[in-house]
Amino acid sequence: EAGVAQSPRYKIIEKRQSVAFWCNPISGHATLYWYQQILGQGPKLLIQFQNNGVVDDSQLPKDRFSAERLKGVDSTLKIQPAKLEDSAVYLCASSPWASANTGELFFGEGSRLTVL
Amino acid sequence: AQTVTQSQPEMSVQEAETVTLSCTYDTSENNYYLFWYKQPPSRQMILVIRQEAYKQQNATENRFSVNFQKAAKSFSLKISDSQLGDTAMYFCAFMKHSSNYQLIWGAGTKLIIKP
Repeated sequence: EAGVAQSPRYKIIEKRQSVAFWCNPISGHATLYWYQQILGQGPKLLIQFQNNGVVDDSQLPKDRFSAERLKGVDSTLKIQPAKLEDSAVYLCASSPWASANTGELFFGEGSRLTVL
Repeated sequence: AQTVTQSQPEMSVQEAETVTLSCTYDTSENNYYLFWYKQPPSRQMILVIRQEAYKQQNATENRFSVNFQKAAKSFSLKISDSQLGDTAMYFCAFMKHSSNYQLIWGAGTKLIIKP
């Protein structure tokens, strides 16, 4: 079974530029999460989707971050314009809704963003 | 609000030794779950072990076991016969029973296994 795919793995941009990250969850997983992981910290939830609907985006900085999950499968996270403090690893995770209460999330390898 | 604290930023042990990682949490909930996740260098995060708060018996998964002290709100991870492949960041996480299945994460402990 293919795992969670993320791209790009690495991205370096100047501040005020834009960037987009893509995530393809495990087939059949209804729930998709985007996390921001700053070096030395635990993951911080940015947004959670259930199919193509948003369950929670309370910690998403909506003035610069946006995310969508068209057709309830792939998802894209965009940052525009980027700030220095956005330098982090962006993790995508998925889980099947029926067993989401087990707390087992399946993670991608992450996209490391460096903002100069 | 729930919080998860991992007080050991970094630990290192020799291969084959036993190591214990600490985690404390704060909650007023009675029904919840606790987890240890492992994040190897440049690889994806994976679930190591899970504990349901209503279960008194400590969870075990091969060389990994937990010491769950509900009253003390403590949830430590013991790794026996440590191996080089255990080198990773370890994150403790909490999920309350009805929370849209969202995890609250600690800051992590970097574990280095030395040959």
